[in-house]
Amino acid sequence: AQSVTQLGSHVSVSEGALVLLRCNYSSSVPPYLFWYVQYPNQGLQLLLKYTTGATLVKGINGFEAEFKKSETSFHLTKPSAHMSDAAEYFCAAGEGNKLVFGAGTILRVKS
Amino acid sequence: DAGVIQSPRHEVTEMGQEVTLRCKPISGHNSLFWYRQTMMRGLELLIYFNNNVPIDDSGMPEDRFSAKMPNASFSTLKIQPSEPRDSAVYFCASSLAQGASNQPQHFGDGTRLSIL
Repeated sequence: AQSVTQLGSHVSVSEGALVLLRCNYSSSVPPYLFWYVQYPNQGLQLLLKYTTGATLVKGINGFEAEFKKSETSFHLTKPSAHMSDAAEYFCAAGEGNKLVFGAGTILRVKS
Repeated sequence: DAGVIQSPRHEVTEMGQEVTLRCKPISGHNSLFWYRQTMMRGLELLIYFNNNVPIDDSGMPEDRFSAKMPNASFSTLKIQPSEPRDSAVYFCASSLAQGASNQPQHFGDGTRLSIL
């Protein structure tokens, strides 16, 4: 069964600094991969997804993620953090008709 | 276009009462998912439907939980009787996926359930 690991339950960065949120999946066959963001008192919103093709995927709000098969990773990055990026971020992998979610990483942005 | 609509947004009730959560998926989506989110357990998939048929209910915690999807535009999650440990945020999500997991799921804003 697929599992998704997000390293670091909390990440803190300064405004303007690089954001790096880590995600690794377990399956030997590369799955479809997603990043979602959750703001307080809201549902999850899709940031970006990787299905096939280009391994560098661009999403909304300036985020991007790179699929690396050799490392079974799909890390999320943003060159310059904004205060509005403070939220919880979830990595997910497709398994059959379901998504397997990681435990989430709370991003704090310091002014 | 309207997203996934859940009602109520908040529900506070006493232990032992029946609770019904409602979900309207995005029109045209043929898969619907119910999740529960808590601090302790994170995001858990409870059950999902394809074309109104329950496919996998292995995440439903107990027989007190039941879910139905009588038509393509409506689903309910019922807890009877409710217990304090059922307190959580319950999310509904829908997608175009049918036998393939390359389609994203679209989430509602959730129902925050508190059982006293």
